[in-house]
Formats: sequence, structure tokens, C-alpha cells
Amino acid sequence: NAGVTQTPKFRILKIGQSMTLQCTQDMNHNYMYWYRQDPGMGLKLIYYSVGAGITDKGEVPNGYNVSRSTTEDFPLRLELAAPSQTSVYFCASSPYDRGTEAFFGQGTRLTVV
Amino acid sequence: GENVEQHPSTLSVQEGDSAVIKCTYSDSASNYFPWYKQELGKGPQLIIDIRSNVGEKKDQRIAVTLNKTAKHFSLHITETQPEDSAVYFCAASPRGDSNYQLIWGAGTKLIIKP
Repeated sequence: NAGVTQTPKFRILKIGQSMTLQCTQDMNHNYMYWYRQDPGMGLKLIYYSVGAGITDKGEVPNGYNVSRSTTEDFPLRLELAAPSQTSVYFCASSPYDRGTEAFFGQGTRLTVV
Repeated sequence: GENVEQHPSTLSVQEGDSAVIKCTYSDSASNYFPWYKQELGKGPQLIIDIRSNVGEKKDQRIAVTLNKTAKHFSLHITETQPEDSAVYFCAASPRGDSNYQLIWGAGTKLIIKP
């Protein structure tokens, strides 16, 4: 059972470039989340989804976009990368709302130079 | 909105001793409080959680206590072992909030000294 899979694990982007962080879960969870984790800080919610076709903004959505065409996949799109987006990104899924009993992927370390 | 504060930021204990990490929250309507363990290079992993209708919950060497009146909850690890070394995060889930999110503490780096 793979759980939550994120790709890539590491990426370096130049300012102004774009990229998509991939996230797939095989647990048939309705709820999925994207977080960013900055050094010495807790996780901040970027976007979340309560099911296929439904997404909404979290605490820090600016500079990001998401889509949820299937239950399994929840990609995160960075447009016009900025140094402030240098962070570790985590995707998570949960069988219940409000992040209850969430499972996390291993993360994507993104550096914008 | 909800705010979660976590202390200490770093905790160093001798192997075999107990470790206690404390969190306070601001929203009295919050009703779900998980603890996550994050090992180096990995994503957070849920280790124990508690709901507001329960005062204490144990799972082997790990326990969580909740004081709703004082709005704080704590993680207790007994008989610490080297593999307990990690960063631990607490979180709270507010009710009446439309953002469907957990609010996270800043984390505690637990170091187990041999």
C-alpha cells in the first residue's frame, strides 16, 4: 500500500519558471491537502479539496493553483516562481474532514533561485 | 482564528527518561488535537490524537492529556529510546471554521541522549 506519493522529491527552479508538484493517494480518501513547511515553522495550508472537482483556498494560497479531476490526484501548480516559495511542500489525504487522521507524503523540497 | 503555541522548541532528555511537550490553543471550540512525529527527510506521521470529550489517551509509551478549561494539551513519552528522536508537532482543529484545516504548532525537536 503506497499511501500518499509525491513527485519530485527535490527541484530547483529559476525565478519566473513554473512547475507542477504531483500528488497521488491510493486510499480512496475524499479529503486532500497541500501544505508548505518553512524552517522552524509549523505547516501552513495552501489549498485543500473535499472531493473530485471541489477545491478551496487555505491560509497561504497566493502564487499557487490546484485541480482535482479524480479522487486520487491533487496536483499543485506554481506559476511565476518566486524566492518566497522556497520551502518543503507536503501533500496529505484524510478519510475525514478538517484534516482528521491525515496521511502525509514524503515531501518535495523546492528551491527558487 | 485559532492559534497554537508549542513549547519547548528543543528538548533534550537522557535515554530512558520521560519527555513532555506542551501546546496551548486559543479557540475553545476546537475539538480534535493530533500529534505528529516527523523524522528527518520524511513527512509527518500521526502518532496519537485526542478529541475534546476525552481527558487522556494512551498508546504504549505515548500518552496525550487534554485540559479544556485551560486550553492546553500535552504529549508524554515514557522510557524514551533513540528512535524517539524527531520533530514533534501538535495541531488543533477548530470548529465553526470554513477552512477545513488543522492549525499547527511550530514543532519541538526531541533529542534522546544515549
